[in-house]
Amino acid sequence: KAGVTQTPRYLIKTRGQQVTLSCSPISGHRSVSWYQQTPGQGLQFLFEYFSETQRNKGNFPGRFSGRQFSNSRSEMNVSTLELGDSALYLCASSLGELSSSYEQYFGPGTRLTVT
Amino acid sequence: DAKTTQPTSMDCAEGRAANLPCNHSTISGNEYVYWYRQIHSQGPQYIIHGLKNNETNEMASLIITEDRKSSTLILPHATLRDTAVYYCIVRASSSNTGKLIFGQGTTLQVKP
Repeated sequence: KAGVTQTPRYLIKTRGQQVTLSCSPISGHRSVSWYQQTPGQGLQFLFEYFSETQRNKGNFPGRFSGRQFSNSRSEMNVSTLELGDSALYLCASSLGELSSSYEQYFGPGTRLTVT
Repeated sequence: DAKTTQPTSMDCAEGRAANLPCNHSTISGNEYVYWYRQIHSQGPQYIIHGLKNNETNEMASLIITEDRKSSTLILPHATLRDTAVYYCIVRASSSNTGKLIFGQGTTLQVKP
């Protein structure tokens, strides 16, 4: 079974621009979560989508948004980029059903650099 | 979800067992202990999880104390490829969301 894929792997943008990152979950997984990782703040939860609906949201400004499609693929968008948005953006997929065990499988990440 | 405390860093000799501790003194009855690891610049990798019984899989063993206030992840025969940041996370079993709260983790350095 193929793992979680994220595209692009690397991206360089300029302040003020916007960016869209893509995540394809493991086949059969309906939940996709997004995380931001920076050296200063570590791994921080952005949001989770399940069955095309946002199910949970972290403490990030409205410039960060996402969506999920009917095939469970997900995109996240960051508008009006700031230097501080430079980070590794990770996507994780899971079955998503209410369960006592909840293993998440992470993709390799997209390394975003804002100049 | 309960907060966890881990040592910042640890060293281990190659071939020896690596024992990584985690304190979760405020854990409640329905919360599981999860372990993930992140090798440099890769996405985190799920290792193991447990509620109150000790667990073992092909990667590691998880020992949870009887009062559940602490746990230890054991890598029985550490290799250089086990050098990574290890995260201990506590998560409610009743939660159906994908939100994991990562702390700073323990940086394990396996040395030849």
